[in-house]
Amino acid sequence: GQQLNQSPQSMFIQEGEDVSMNCTSSSIFNTWLWYKQDPGEGPVLLIALYKAGELTSNGRLTAQFGITRKDSFLNISASIPSDVGIYFCAGQLGNEKLTFGTGTRLTIIP
Amino acid sequence: GAVVSQHPSWVICKSGTSVKIECRSLDFQATTMFWYRQFPKQSLMLMATSNEGSKATYEQGVEKDKFLINHASLTLSTLTVTSAHPEDSSFYICSVLGSTDTQYFGPGTRLTVL
Repeated sequence: GQQLNQSPQSMFIQEGEDVSMNCTSSSIFNTWLWYKQDPGEGPVLLIALYKAGELTSNGRLTAQFGITRKDSFLNISASIPSDVGIYFCAGQLGNEKLTFGTGTRLTIIP
Repeated sequence: GAVVSQHPSWVICKSGTSVKIECRSLDFQATTMFWYRQFPKQSLMLMATSNEGSKATYEQGVEKDKFLINHASLTLSTLTVTSAHPEDSSFYICSVLGSTDTQYFGPGTRLTVL
């Protein structure tokens, strides 16, 4: 099936640094979602975006729905150890199935 | 959001046997649930959409006779992997379509076929 391009594929940062990742698609979506997955767990919803241009925050996380409806980014400020995991973007058109990104693996260097 | 559970959390079985995985929506009556499969270091791939009271819709390349889905109630969907083989070993995750058309995921089931 189709997957969205997510970059970077992996990140190695120090605690306290800010993180930025993005997701691009060749087709438009009405909804963009960002999930975090810890090892051996299911994805947990972080932020949902429903409108082009929308900028939404959830604590230290901020995500934006691109104007073209073909991209989205996620920023994490002042990273902490529990931010480690894999971050997935997902696009949705109406109430149809989700199309997932390839994932960004975040590692924090002590 | 919706709270979703899966059972079992992990299972090991012999090749050729069948395994049933349950997905429960604990606080939401879910008309629609989804089943995904995730191989190591890969993203989630949708296997099928499960609709309460009707037949599941399978994605291209997913064998409906091998992966049997039953969504008999608004709180329970089951995935049965029939005649499992080692290549079926994977992480199986279900999700529930919530009231805002947002998907909420279960904790996953790790299947290992020997």
